[in-house]
Amino acid sequence: EIVLTQSPGALSVSAGGRVSLSCRASQTIDNNIVWYQQRPGQAPRLLIYAASTRASGIPARFIGSGFGTEFTLSIDSLQSEDFAVYYCQQYHNWPRTFGQGTKVEIK
Amino acid sequence: QLQLQESGPGLLRPSETLSLTCTVSGGSIRNGDSYWSWIRQSPGKGLEWIGYVYYTGNTKYNPSLQSRVSISVDTSRNRLSLWVSSVTAADTAVYYCARDYDYRDNSGYSFYGLDVWGQGTSVTVSS
Repeated sequence: EIVLTQSPGALSVSAGGRVSLSCRASQTIDNNIVWYQQRPGQAPRLLIYAASTRASGIPARFIGSGFGTEFTLSIDSLQSEDFAVYYCQQYHNWPRTFGQGTKVEIK
Repeated sequence: QLQLQESGPGLLRPSETLSLTCTVSGGSIRNGDSYWSWIRQSPGKGLEWIGYVYYTGNTKYNPSLQSRVSISVDTSRNRLSLWVSSVTAADTAVYYCARDYDYRDNSGYSFYGLDVWGQGTSVTVSS
């Protein structure tokens, strides 16, 4: 089973700031990674698939990058609605697995 | 627009069988690019993919749960179902159904993402 390790576990950022969230895979997964956003009390929401392609309706301030084992989700000009937990997930191998999440909080 | 809605009991006793249904509306479960999935989320284990069913009835399960899990599809009712047998407290979680969509590109290469989720249903296992 592929293990995804996200870092940091949590970070505090001011609105309007920029963050970079990391996801590291225990073995190479090419670009077979997805990013989700989860707000309190809601289901996860698809942001990025294939490492860097934004899903329908996702603003351009969400940027995914990486290949192999190292991946990054960057968020520019943080808006109030962006404060949430972010998860990565791989679909390179079965079972699909998720990272443990990074919580982005308001400073 | 496509919507998913989970339903089922919220409280079970240990050793009972969990049974949940997910009703798909606003689209057909027969969509050939869709893999209808169950995912659960608990504070202890985070997000865990339980398995999926294709509209043909083909299934794939997480090996960690395979011996206790079954997923089926009812195309006439546009819904899928999940069964988890011999539940314990470790099965306490929010259970989501979601669509794993195949964003196949022009060369036929598949990229996936859970693009539509239900609201989730909370299941507690307690004596």
